[in-house]
Amino acid sequence: DTGVSQNPRHKITKRGQNVTFRCDPISEHNRLYWYRQTLGQGPEFLTYFQNEAQLEKSRLLSDRFSAERPKGSFSTLEIQRTEQGDSAMYLCASSLLFGPQETQYFGPGTRLLVL
Amino acid sequence: AQSVTQLGSHVSVSEGALVLLRCNYSSSVPPYLFWYVQYPNQGLQLLLKYTSAATLVKGINDFEAEFKKSETSFHLTKPSAHMSDAAEYFCAVAVGGNTGKLIFGQGTTLQVKP
Repeated sequence: DTGVSQNPRHKITKRGQNVTFRCDPISEHNRLYWYRQTLGQGPEFLTYFQNEAQLEKSRLLSDRFSAERPKGSFSTLEIQRTEQGDSAMYLCASSLLFGPQETQYFGPGTRLLVL
Repeated sequence: AQSVTQLGSHVSVSEGALVLLRCNYSSSVPPYLFWYVQYPNQGLQLLLKYTSAATLVKGINDFEAEFKKSETSFHLTKPSAHMSDAAEYFCAVAVGGNTGKLIFGQGTTLQVKP
């Protein structure tokens, strides 16, 4: 069990550029979540996958955001035409399907700064 | 709809003193509650979770939390603070249904003074 990994750990980009983040969950975890955390706030849910199916997307996830989990393993989160308001920590978590009792294991996050 | 309120954005204690971090929840269904800790520039680590098995939940590093339905609270305590406990603490409630989605509070920063 190597834990959840995220790459890159830090990303600085200019407004208007596209960025992509990757999350590798704990092997055999069938659920994968993305959250966004801004300074001084708790994480906010963005979207989640069960295997390769994206089951829910938050209203926070504008059309500029897209997430995929093509083979039910790793996931990518892409932000197109970045804006300064996108600056945040993007957290990924994985879990085994077990309903609301399931435990989510978080990765170290990708910190995005949009200049 | 589920929600979580953490009372006190900053808590300061002396090393060796009792730690008490407050969390109140709102839930239309029996809640599943979690406490996570976040160290600077790191992800979240689970401290403990309540899943209705017992109202007093013990977690890692001597933390524990008590579920009180009448008070809709799930406060986190530790008998004796260590310097290494300085971090951000988040209370969360599971949305319920078929999703494990979590709703987090705004967090409490714990400062431990020598």
